[in-house]
Amino acid sequence: GAVVSQHPSRVICKSGTSVKIECRSLDFQATTMFWYRQFPKQSLMLMATSNEGSKATYEQGVEKDKFLINHASLTLSTLTVTSAHPEDSSFYICSLNPNGRYTEAFFGQGTRLTVV
Amino acid sequence: KNEVEQSPQNLTAQEGEFITINCSYSVGISALHWLQQHPGGGIVSLFMLSSGKKKHGRLIATINIQEKHSSLHITASHPRDSAVYICAVRLLMNYGGSQGNLIFGKGTKLSVKP
Repeated sequence: GAVVSQHPSRVICKSGTSVKIECRSLDFQATTMFWYRQFPKQSLMLMATSNEGSKATYEQGVEKDKFLINHASLTLSTLTVTSAHPEDSSFYICSLNPNGRYTEAFFGQGTRLTVV
Repeated sequence: KNEVEQSPQNLTAQEGEFITINCSYSVGISALHWLQQHPGGGIVSLFMLSSGKKKHGRLIATINIQEKHSSLHITASHPRDSAVYICAVRLLMNYGGSQGNLIFGKGTKLSVKP
C-alpha cells in the first residue's frame, strides 16, 4: 500500500489565489520531507526541505514567501502556493525517507497544479 | 552539464525486446535510485543501489561506482512497462549532500508496442 499520501492530485485555480498541497506519511515518522517541482520535459528539481518543528530550507531561487511550507507533525507537511501565477503551473511532488534513514525514498502521488 | 545524465531520452521497443537504459553521474554518491513515473505523474521506486546488481522480476539494475554508471534492464518487455524511467542520485555529504535529497536525471520515456 501507499506509504506517502499526497493530495490533491490535480488542482486548477485562478491567478492570485492560494493553493495548499498536503503530504502525509502513512507508515513512518518523517522528520524531513522534500518538495520537488517538475516542469514539462524537465527533471524533478528540489524546491525545499521540510523539517518537522522548524523552518524549511529553501533552494536557491525558490521564494520562501511564495511557497510556504509547514511541517507541524512527524507525519504531515504542507506546501502552500500563495498568490499563484500561471508560471507556477507545474507538477509538485513530495518525498520522504522513513525514520530519517537516507536509503529508501518514497514519493507522494504528485499534484498537477494549473493556474489560469 | 547536468550532474545526472540519462540515455536514451526516448525509446520505442517491440513487446518482448530486451531494453537497456543508461545513467551516468559526475558526483560522489551514497546511493542511486531507479524510479518509474507513469503518465499521471506518480513515482514508484524500483531500485536503490549502492553497489553491484539487483533483480526484481523482469527488471535488473546494475551500478559501477568506479565508472559512475548505472544501467536499468528490462527483459521480455511488455506494453505495461511503458513509462518514464528516472535515475536519481543521493549525494555524498562532501559533495553537498545535506539531508538526503535526490538529484534527478531527465528521464527516459519508454514506449513498448504490442
